[in-house]
Amino acid sequence: EDQVTQSPEALRLQEGESSSLNCSYTVSGLRGLFWYRQDPGKGPEFLFTLYSAGEEKEKERLKATLTKKESFLHITAPKPEDSATYLCAVRVPGGTGGFKTIFGAGTRLFVKA
Amino acid sequence: EAGVAQSPRYKIIEKRQSVAFWCNPISGHATLYWYQQILGQGPKLLIQFQNNGVVDDSQLPKDRFSAERLKGVDSTLKIQPAKLEDSAVYLCASSSRAPDTQYFGPGTRLTVL
Repeated sequence: EDQVTQSPEALRLQEGESSSLNCSYTVSGLRGLFWYRQDPGKGPEFLFTLYSAGEEKEKERLKATLTKKESFLHITAPKPEDSATYLCAVRVPGGTGGFKTIFGAGTRLFVKA
Repeated sequence: EAGVAQSPRYKIIEKRQSVAFWCNPISGHATLYWYQQILGQGPKLLIQFQNNGVVDDSQLPKDRFSAERLKGVDSTLKIQPAKLEDSAVYLCASSSRAPDTQYFGPGTRLTVL
């Protein structure tokens, strides 16, 4: 069964303290891995798509990397405004539409000033 | 460019009552998704439309949930009758084609008492 596991469930950082969030997956045939940011009371906001092992993408203080079994979201020198839930999702073959998207439960990040 | 619009933002109902949610996707996006997000979990796909046809409804509880997208633009999701376990945020997302990056609306928070 296709599974996506995110860790840790919650992470508390001081402003400027760099860290990484993990997304591990067990799927048959990855067709894309997505990172989203979700603020309280809002819908997920798209950050990155990664397609193959070794791929990296960056946006401001965020950098996403992908291996054959997991993805990392690195946060460099975080600021309080980076506080949010970060969701990982994988696209795999399946569903009646040919592809299905499976989300992890998310990592809640708290950055203290 | 306007994003995905959803209404209402909040709804409180008694169990066994009916409720309907509305979604207007990004202009030109052919694919529309409805997700259910229970507190502390990642979004779970309920139904996917390609234009006005259903592509995947394998996880939709069809005994109480229904959805339509009559003209290939707006969509409504209905629950009849509601149960306590239906309390969740209902997210609508759209993409220009499937599979492709999904863009989410703000969601409707449903509380069933």
